[in-house]
Amino acid sequence: EAQVTQNPRYLITVTGKKLTVTCSQNMNHEYMSWYRQDPGLGLRQIYYSMNVEVTDKGDVPEGYKVSRKEKRNFPLILESPSPNQTSLYFCASRVWDSSIYNEQFFGPGTRLTVL
Amino acid sequence: GENVEQHPSTLSVQEGDSAVIKCTYSDSASNYFPWYKQELGKGPQLIIDIRSNVGEKKDQRIAVTLNKTAKHFSLHITETQPEDSAVYFCAASMGTGNQFYFGTGTSLTVIP
Repeated sequence: EAQVTQNPRYLITVTGKKLTVTCSQNMNHEYMSWYRQDPGLGLRQIYYSMNVEVTDKGDVPEGYKVSRKEKRNFPLILESPSPNQTSLYFCASRVWDSSIYNEQFFGPGTRLTVL
Repeated sequence: GENVEQHPSTLSVQEGDSAVIKCTYSDSASNYFPWYKQELGKGPQLIIDIRSNVGEKKDQRIAVTLNKTAKHFSLHITETQPEDSAVYFCAASMGTGNQFYFGTGTSLTVIP
């Protein structure tokens, strides 16, 4: 089944304790992206990657890191989480070419709470 | 960057009625406008999209209209059903589509 998977689905942690949220897709998509969803703010893009070793900042990259060492994986790293990073996080992927019209597929989400 | 505004934030309709959700965008360079449906506990899923060279697009009970001059686009759902109840997001993108800007979402409730 074609899908985007995220782990963990739920995570409660404390301020300053480094964590990684994994994202994997099995559709051979070049493009992957991370979003956070907060009430009243919709989805906001954190980072995106057009291909292996190519990443760039989205609208709200502060406090986050990403890496793209393999085409299928795009982990989101919070090196020193803070309570304002408590949110629902989504990973997404799509075919990337010169056309922007390829459908973006979202994972099921990771609910992160930072105490 | 782009700014996308979405209204209303909540919408309740009787089953069988129509629902309309409106979005405006600020950057005239935006040229791709997808709409997503998010059911409880799931990720957003694309339901329809429109390109800037098209004024309207339909897919069964769902339609999207785009007014480039006014910089707004709308989602129309006709003959609503209870399974249409969800949160709907509009979005805008430009260029090669690396960045997407989302509206704040509309929670639609269809009352049986």
